[in-house]
Amino acid sequence: AQSVTQPDIHITVSEGASLELRCNYSYGATPYLFWYVQSPGQGLQLLLKYFSGDTLVQGIKGFEAEFKRSQSSFNLRKPSVHWSDAAEYFCAVDFNQAGTALIFGKGTTLSVSS
Amino acid sequence: DAGITQSPRHKVTETGTPVTLRCHQTENHRYMYWYRQDPGHGLRLIHYSYGVKDTDKGEVSDGYSVSRSKTEDFLLTLESATSSQTSVYFCAISDPQGGYGYTFGSGTRLTVV
Repeated sequence: AQSVTQPDIHITVSEGASLELRCNYSYGATPYLFWYVQSPGQGLQLLLKYFSGDTLVQGIKGFEAEFKRSQSSFNLRKPSVHWSDAAEYFCAVDFNQAGTALIFGKGTTLSVSS
Repeated sequence: DAGITQSPRHKVTETGTPVTLRCHQTENHRYMYWYRQDPGHGLRLIHYSYGVKDTDKGEVSDGYSVSRSKTEDFLLTLESATSSQTSVYFCAISDPQGGYGYTFGSGTRLTVV
């Protein structure tokens, strides 16, 4: 079955430190890949997306993600975390590349310590 | 997001009563979706629509029905609410012609007592 895995349920990072959130997906072909962020009590905001081409994509708020086909991964990174980055992060995959529906990982909660 | 509105934002209802949640968009996007969000489960797709009167089931559709009589409105109905349907419900829209960006509403927090 098609699935999206975010191995880390909760991560704590010091302010100013680098961040990497992991995402792996099932399936052999190259799907469309997304990262969303959700602040408490809010809806989801799109950080970045990958469809094809350059495997390193830039997003908003200083985030980037790298697609690695061989590892079926799409990890999210940020060089220097700010306290305002504390939120829940979701990886999502459109396996059919048809815009029919996204399948979400279960999310990673990021805490930022001072 | 200004282009998508969910109503109500909060609702408390009793077990066994029908409940309808509304999603309204002003973006003229073809696709609309209903997800539920529960701790430890992320977002799970309930139903989606790919056009007026065209809908399909998602991963967790049991106990839910949907209707889309106009492009801008997508209704989610809980036929007979149960406590297991206590959740936060999100509507989303997308336009494949516009780059597959999904836009989410602010959510409806539903409590079934």
